[in-house]
Amino acid sequence: EPEVTQTPSHQVTQMGQEVILRCVPISNHLYFYWYRQILGQKVEFLVSFYNNEISEKSEIFDDQFSVERPDGSNFTLKIRSTKLEDSAMYFCASSGGLAVVYNEQFFGPGTRLTVL
Amino acid sequence: AQSVTQLGSHVSVSEGALVLLRCNYSSSVPPYLFWYVQYPNQGLQLLLKYTSAATLVKGINGFEAEFKKSETSFHLTKPSAHMSDAAEYFCAVSLDDKIIFGKGTRLHILP
Repeated sequence: EPEVTQTPSHQVTQMGQEVILRCVPISNHLYFYWYRQILGQKVEFLVSFYNNEISEKSEIFDDQFSVERPDGSNFTLKIRSTKLEDSAMYFCASSGGLAVVYNEQFFGPGTRLTVL
Repeated sequence: AQSVTQLGSHVSVSEGALVLLRCNYSSSVPPYLFWYVQYPNQGLQLLLKYTSAATLVKGINGFEAEFKKSETSFHLTKPSAHMSDAAEYFCAVSLDDKIIFGKGTRLHILP
């Protein structure tokens, strides 16, 4: 069964460093998403991406964040200068269609980012 | 704006007992609702989704949920809890191009 994969599973970094979180969405999907979950809190939407551009982003997704689909398979989230409060589990998701027309979003297993 | 509220951050049930996890939604339009499960140290897995085709939705692992418009509820149930059901459960609603999650309910199964 096709699945979303994410690497690494755990990333530890120093405050101020750049990190890139990688995701391989399901191959025929067209919509891509990043969510995050701070420990003990709910899952929050960060950004959606379609047709090589951001379609929507939350207030969390400030200028320190960027997303890219560098090739036909990978989808990346970059944090330019990490802060302590960026420590969280980051989930990638992909979908064959818009959530609003109830196409299921398939989630990856997550990358746990720890900023020291 | 669409949102969901989950009642109870922790729920404990005995093995074999009924599981009931509560979720109420707020939506100005017919909502698309979901329940996701997160097992320890794992990602999010879709349990079931409501897409207006039927008010009683059956999902994986014996779970089901009933959409009640009059009560704006979408509670998750399972007739008989199993130890393997211990996990965090998230109710969610779709809003435009994203999914809005509730705060989650951690389900504990007592032997």
